[in-house]
Amino acid sequence: AQSVTQPDIHITVSEGASLELRCNYSYGATPYLFWYVQSPGQGLQLLLKYFSGDTLVQGIKGFEAEFKRSQSSFNLRKPSVHWSDAAEYFCAVGRGGSYIPTFGRGTSLIVHP
Amino acid sequence: DGGITQSPKYLFRKEGQNVTLSCEQNLNHDAMYWYRQDPGQGLRLIYYSQIVNDFQKGDIAEGYSVSREKKESFPLTVTSAQKNPTAFYLCASSKGTGGYTFGSGTRLTVV
Repeated sequence: AQSVTQPDIHITVSEGASLELRCNYSYGATPYLFWYVQSPGQGLQLLLKYFSGDTLVQGIKGFEAEFKRSQSSFNLRKPSVHWSDAAEYFCAVGRGGSYIPTFGRGTSLIVHP
Repeated sequence: DGGITQSPKYLFRKEGQNVTLSCEQNLNHDAMYWYRQDPGQGLRLIYYSQIVNDFQKGDIAEGYSVSREKKESFPLTVTSAQKNPTAFYLCASSKGTGGYTFGSGTRLTVV
């Protein structure tokens, strides 16, 4: 069965610094991959998704992610973090080749001024 | 504007009670989903429905029930058989490969 691992429970960065959130997946075939963001007490918002094609995916809010098959990874990056980026970030993989995501446990991003 | 509406935002349940969480969407999405979120555990799929009058169990369906009589609506009932119902419940919908649209959630607390 597919699974997603987000190794970092919390990440702390300074405003203006670069960011990379790690995500590793387990799935035999080419996966459908997603990154979502959640503000406290709110639902999730889709940042970006990968289904096929170019392995570098651009998303909303200046985020990007790179699919690396050899490392089974789909890390999320942003070159310069803003205080408003503080939130919970979830990586997800489509279950069984479908678009229904199985979510990781999330990484909480803390941004220092 | 189109979106998903979950109500109520906060819900309190007494031991042994059934409660129903509402989820309505006006996005014309075919598929709808219910997730449960607990601190540090991410989101776990309870039930999903890809078409009206049809639904499938997710990973943690025990103690929950759903119906899908209308395309726009996918209510979730938390029954008395669910022994640990305190959690944040999220409803989502999707159409094709467009990714999910989430509601803003219902926080259920057992009192």
